[in-house]
Amino acid sequence: DVVMTQSPLSLPVTLGQPASISCRSSQSLVYFDGNTYLNWFHQRPGQSPRRLIYKVSNRDSGVPDRFSGSGSGTDFTLKITRVEAEDVGVYYCMQSTHWPWTFGQGTKVDIK
Amino acid sequence: QLQLRESGPGLVKPSETLSLTCTVSGDSIISSTYYWGWIRQPPGKGLEWIGSFYYGGSTYYNPSLKSRVTISVNTSKNEFSLKVSSVTAADTAVYYCARTIANSPDYWGQGTLVTVSS
Repeated sequence: DVVMTQSPLSLPVTLGQPASISCRSSQSLVYFDGNTYLNWFHQRPGQSPRRLIYKVSNRDSGVPDRFSGSGSGTDFTLKITRVEAEDVGVYYCMQSTHWPWTFGQGTKVDIK
Repeated sequence: QLQLRESGPGLVKPSETLSLTCTVSGDSIISSTYYWGWIRQPPGKGLEWIGSFYYGGSTYYNPSLKSRVTISVNTSKNEFSLKVSSVTAADTAVYYCARTIANSPDYWGQGTLVTVSS
């Protein structure tokens, strides 16, 4: 299975400040069709995960533009330009290139 | 508007079979555009993809669970189901169903907690 490794696992942030989460995969996530199926999800306590980003850098409808995704191959990053209170929760990266699809361990973001 | 709703018993005894259903509204599960699947999350832990299918095509199971898992479809009710046999406490989790488009899950149900205990 492809192992997804996130860092940090805990990220205390100051409101209005930037935040960054790294996600590394144990093998390349480039699919035979040329796409890279790396997704980012946000999960608040008691809620189901909500997709923020798909195919590395495509933001979902309704996702604020303070969220951005980047990377290639095996190394990916989710950035928040200015953290807001509603951004707390756990962020997961997920690869859907290789079966079985796998998730990172999650990064818990909270406010300092 | 697309909605997915998981349903089934919240408590299952060890060694028995866990059975859940995902009812889909606002879209058709026979569409060739989408995959549909199941994911689970043990309390306080991370996410595990269980399996996916698209109607008229293949069904993919996570090898870690393959021998115990079956996903089936009921097109007349626009729903699909999950069965996990020979459950243990390690199968205690919130189970989600989700729609996948272009290899990426976009809509998830709200999830249902299944506890394995005698």
